[in-house]
Amino acid sequence: KQEVTQIPAALSVPEGENLVLNCSFTDSAIYNLQWFRQDPGKGLTSLLLIQSSQREQTSGRLNASLDKSSGRSTLYIAASQPGDSATYLCAVRGGTSYGKLTFGQGTILTVHP
Amino acid sequence: SQTIHQWPATLVQPVGSPLSLECTVEGTSNPNLYWYRQAAGRGLQLLFYSVGIGQISSEVPQNLSASRPQDRQFILSSKKLLLSDSGFYLCAWRPGETQYFGPGTRLLVL
Repeated sequence: KQEVTQIPAALSVPEGENLVLNCSFTDSAIYNLQWFRQDPGKGLTSLLLIQSSQREQTSGRLNASLDKSSGRSTLYIAASQPGDSATYLCAVRGGTSYGKLTFGQGTILTVHP
Repeated sequence: SQTIHQWPATLVQPVGSPLSLECTVEGTSNPNLYWYRQAAGRGLQLLFYSVGIGQISSEVPQNLSASRPQDRQFILSSKKLLLSDSGFYLCAWRPGETQYFGPGTRLLVL
């Protein structure tokens, strides 16, 4: 059974810092990995998707890496801003399910001015 | 453009009452559809998925059921709600590789 863990559970940083969120998964036989952002009381917004054959993906100030063999992914946020404050969720898609995603518990990020 | 709708946004229901949550998708045909639940202190859990009309697969045994009466409509139901059914219910769809989520329905069972 796939299990996804995110560290840290919560993170508070001053504006402008570069930061790294970590995600690990127990079964390396994944199809892809997706990072989401969730604002309080809202649905999920997809940030980045990395295919199992890829090493990283970039979008603006966000960079996600994937080391499939070791079961790890990191989300790097450059020059953090207060608007980045949200819960960040990592999810992996298994290779045999109909797009089923297994989620981590999330990292609650607070960026203060 | 493709969008996903959920309603109601918020619902407060007594224990033992029925439930019907609706999800609709616009701008696509024959999407894969999913129902997830996010309970307090727990991660997102897949409840049901559907690859077509009338085709429902359940991931976990529970008090809920799902139906897909039309191509772009996915309904989550219960005949009698339990306290443990409280949570944030999210509908999602997958047009390609990326999975997209609706705005969610917050359900409080009292």
